[in-house]
Amino acid sequence: GESVGLHLPTLSVQEGDNSIINCAYSNSASDYFIWYKQESGKGPQFIIDIRSNMDKRQGQRVTVLLNKTVKHLSLQIAATQPGDSAVYFCAALGEYGNKLVFGAGTILRVKS
Amino acid sequence: GAGVSQSPRYKVAKRGQDVALRCDPISGHVSLFWYQQALGQGPEFLTYFQNEAQLDKSGLPSDRFFAERPEGSVSTLKIQRTQQEDSAVYLCASSLVRDYEQYFGPGTRLTVT
Repeated sequence: GESVGLHLPTLSVQEGDNSIINCAYSNSASDYFIWYKQESGKGPQFIIDIRSNMDKRQGQRVTVLLNKTVKHLSLQIAATQPGDSAVYFCAALGEYGNKLVFGAGTILRVKS
Repeated sequence: GAGVSQSPRYKVAKRGQDVALRCDPISGHVSLFWYQQALGQGPEFLTYFQNEAQLDKSGLPSDRFFAERPEGSVSTLKIQRTQQEDSAVYLCASSLVRDYEQYFGPGTRLTVT
């Protein structure tokens, strides 16, 4: 079946450094991808999305890169702050557009 | 309301009891989704509604799980004869239309003892 997975389960970065979180997906029919941030005891919070007709999208301090050839996407966080500490999930919309398939998550720890 | 709300936030049930979890989506959102999140894992899809129609229930783990959205707004996820493996966080999400970003509620943490 389709799956979305992450390369690094835990990422520790120094405050002020840039963070890069990677994700691989298996379903080539997916055409919409989202990064979510989840803090303890809360639901996933939307960060940024990208459609398959794009290879890069920028938001405030965040950039998502999509490489459809190798079915890989990444989330870059510039000038990482302590408030960025959370679990980050990538998710791909299924080919029928009715459900998200999530990866296992990457824990981001920001050291002050 | 400003976001998706869920109630109760925490539920402890004895094995064999029935539970009902409520989701209030963002007003006007057509699509509503239920996900199950086990500890340390990503959410897994359970079921999807478009208005009052349940269009996909392929993720429901057994016939003990039942979801409804009778008036196309509030939804209830019911679990009958709860088992320990049902312990998880149940997340509800809504989106304006099908292919757009999904907004999640805080979840209901279900513990079956």
